[in-house]
Amino acid sequence: EVQLVQSGAEVKKPGATVKISCKVSGYTFTDYYIHWVQQAPGKGLEWMGLVDPEDGETRYAEKFQGRVTLTADRSEDTAYMELTSLRSGDTAVYYCARQPVYYYYHIDVWGKGTTVIVSS
Amino acid sequence: QSALTQPASVSGSPGQSITISCTDTSSDGGAYNYISWYQQQSGKAPKLIIYDVSTRPSGVSQRFSGSKSGNAASLTISGLQAEDEADYYCSAHTSSKTRVFGGGTKLTVL
Repeated sequence: EVQLVQSGAEVKKPGATVKISCKVSGYTFTDYYIHWVQQAPGKGLEWMGLVDPEDGETRYAEKFQGRVTLTADRSEDTAYMELTSLRSGDTAVYYCARQPVYYYYHIDVWGKGTTVIVSS
Repeated sequence: QSALTQPASVSGSPGQSITISCTDTSSDGGAYNYISWYQQQSGKAPKLIIYDVSTRPSGVSQRFSGSKSGNAASLTISGLQAEDEADYYCSAHTSSKTRVFGGGTKLTVL
């Protein structure tokens, strides 16, 4: 069974950094990109970026460029999303999700999400 | 602002059909060929229901269908059921390997 298991909820103070993990199982890690998507309370899905676990290549949305770092550890089949300089507007659920590297152009499986609360 | 525009809300009665549009408002409108649709029920992660404009993944009801004409894609749900009440998002893969989501449409089953 394909699974993307995300780390638990986080509470952070403004200005802090959060790092969320996404451990995958049930498929070959390097055959799929890992995307990260932000969903603020009551709002829509916002794409943050993707990482290619094969070579670590990344793409970032302009909104998050400079504050987000996506990495992938092939030895642990785990992807990470680090977001710095947190502010209240970063309070959201963060999802990891996978997309095939070849032949297909859609996200097919999502993690359950990680809640991040930014509050002083 | 998303380059994919969806209506904020749609509604329908059980048994009826509804259609949700997804219009490409990017500068090179119509360039998104790989449109996918996701259903997100309250408090849950999104779920893929349509990919490559009109292909249903295994296990997704035949009541869900997708199409595209010019720079607008559409999701149609026929035979509405109470369980269809959810938020629906269109999404596209771009030529620069990035991804864009529409703003989402809230479906209310009356």
